[in-house]
Amino acid sequence: NAGVMQNPRHLVRRRGQEARLRCSPMKGHSHVYWYRQLPEEGLKFMVYLQKENIIDESGMPKERFSAEFPKEGPSILRIQQVVRGDSAAYFCASSSLLRSTDTQYFGPGTRLTVL
Amino acid sequence: GNSVTQMEGPVTLSEEAFLTINCTYTATGYPSLFWYVQYPGEGLQLLLKATKADDKGSNKGFEATYRKETTSFHLEKGSVQVSDSAVYFCALSATGANSKLTFGKGITLSVRP
Repeated sequence: NAGVMQNPRHLVRRRGQEARLRCSPMKGHSHVYWYRQLPEEGLKFMVYLQKENIIDESGMPKERFSAEFPKEGPSILRIQQVVRGDSAAYFCASSSLLRSTDTQYFGPGTRLTVL
Repeated sequence: GNSVTQMEGPVTLSEEAFLTINCTYTATGYPSLFWYVQYPGEGLQLLLKATKADDKGSNKGFEATYRKETTSFHLEKGSVQVSDSAVYFCALSATGANSKLTFGKGITLSVRP
């Protein structure tokens, strides 16, 4: 039973380019969360999605960031016109149920470096 | 809003020493509490969790008890190993908050042979 998959593991972009991060949840999981980890900090919630729906995007920056979780295929976190401050590790997590007691399973993360 | 506070780090211990990592929280309602561990270059792995007051989570020799009266969830291990060297995150998931996790800043543990 494969865990949460994320790709790429490492991504280098120049300022102004676009970054696309992909996340495939665990089999049978329909809830996907994205978190960002800045250097020397804990993880911060960005967005919560179910298939074809954004449920909670209260942690997403208002500009340049977007997320989707289509009916088919992985969840995508898209960052347009990247800036140096976007350099961070981006983690995806999935769970099977929407309960606060349920465990979220994390992927290995994508480490984005903006030059 | 919800928040998690962890003790300042880093922490360096000798092998077989006793470990305590403090964690306190602020939340409305009755959150679930978690400890996650992150090994170098990897994602987070769930270490243990507790979902109601007085519950004790345990795994791999680590324990933490959900203390509602002190709003704490301190992590303990009686005898650490070199392989326990990692970053440890305390987190909560609040009821009615779409189950999103609120994390502490994490603490780096280094265990010397």
